[in-house]
Amino acid sequence: EAEVAQSPRYKITEKSQAVAFWCDPISGHATLYWYRQILGQGPELLVQFQDESVVDDSQLPKDRFSAERLKGVDSTLKIQPAELGDSAMYLCASSNRANQETQYFGPGTRLLVL
Amino acid sequence: AQSVSQHNHHVILSEAASLELGCNYSYGGTVNLFWYVQYPGQHLQLLLKYFSGDPLVKGIKGFEAEFIKSKFSFNLRKPSVQWSDTAEYFCAVGRGGGADGLTFGKGTHLIIQP
Repeated sequence: EAEVAQSPRYKITEKSQAVAFWCDPISGHATLYWYRQILGQGPELLVQFQDESVVDDSQLPKDRFSAERLKGVDSTLKIQPAELGDSAMYLCASSNRANQETQYFGPGTRLLVL
Repeated sequence: AQSVSQHNHHVILSEAASLELGCNYSYGGTVNLFWYVQYPGQHLQLLLKYFSGDPLVKGIKGFEAEFIKSKFSFNLRKPSVQWSDTAEYFCAVGRGGGADGLTFGKGTHLIIQP
């Protein structure tokens, strides 16, 4: 069964450093989402891509966060500089055109900022 | 804007007990409703979903949920829980007919005692 891949699974960094997370959606899935899940909370949408275009980045803190999906396949989420409050699980999800309402989630990247 | 409220943050049950987890949402239009489960150490998995039609939907592993439009509710049920149902359960809502990012509740941590 195809799955969403994410790396790294864990990342420890110091505040003010730059970090990057990578996501490879299920093959053929046109829509890709990045969510942030703070401990004890549900996931919150950061950014949504349709192919290579950003559809919704209204909740993305653009002063420090950036996301790209240059070829409309895999995606990178970057934080620069990282802050203590960025410690969270970063989840990637994808959906296909035929069943666009249903999102499939990857295992996430757990970030700890010291 | 959408919002989701899950009534219980922690639930402890004995095996074979019946389960009902509450979920209420706030949104003025047509909605898609989901329950996701996160087993310890695993990624978010879709349990069941409601888009339209029969308001009683059945999902994997014996779970079901009922959409009550007048109450803006989508409660999750299982007649007899097993130890393996120990997990975090998230209710989520999306705009009906769309591929928007989902709005999640804070989750319910379910512990099943053998």
